Amino acid sequence: AQSVTQLDSQVPVFEEAPVELRCNYSSSVSVYLFWYVQYPNQGLQLLLKYLSGSTLVKGINGFEAEFNKSQTSFHLRKPSVHISDTAEYFCAVSPPTGANNLFFGTGTRLTVIP
Amino acid sequence: GAVVSQHPSRVICKSGTSVKIECRSLDFQATTMFWYRQFPKQSLMLMATSNEGSKATYEQGVEKDKFLINHASLTLSTLTVASAHPEDSSFYICSASGGGNQPQHFGDGTRLSIL
Repeated sequence: AQSVTQLDSQVPVFEEAPVELRCNYSSSVSVYLFWYVQYPNQGLQLLLKYLSGSTLVKGINGFEAEFNKSQTSFHLRKPSVHISDTAEYFCAVSPPTGANNLFFGTGTRLTVIP
Repeated sequence: GAVVSQHPSRVICKSGTSVKIECRSLDFQATTMFWYRQFPKQSLMLMATSNEGSKATYEQGVEKDKFLINHASLTLSTLTVASAHPEDSSFYICSASGGGNQPQHFGDGTRLSIL
């Protein structure tokens, strides 16, 4: 079974500052890893995903994440945030059989302060 | 590409009403569609998975007779909340996948409010 832990439920950060949203997972098998963003009253939009290969994954909107197998982590980072990045961010994992079984973390609310 | 349209975006209705929510993949064939429920400030909880032409697979604790799912084509799945009650009020989100390693693409969700 897979599980995902997002330790920070809320992360406030000033505009143009860097941010890191933490995600740790547990699994007895290798996994695929995802980060999704949810704006108010909307569905989820895929930011980036790690399936294999390079452990540093670049996504949309200037976000990137690094897969660390030894620490079972997949933290999301952005060097300089904008007001428009204020949203809920979800980390998710799926077994390598495909992205058809996503297990979501509880989410991190990123608030960018002007 | 990979656009999923969910309709309606918001529903307000009286207790006892049945509500149908549609999920359409606009530019790809969705072999699998998923229905999630999201409570305020919480994560998404998978309710059921549906494959085109097959019966949906429900997660433990989800009432099949309450949440009726139909996936009649490769571009359309519907969720019907039968005889909805106030406790069914929630944010419902669908997603669609082309199968295999294809990621899930999400609709914009439906805010269901039962009075």
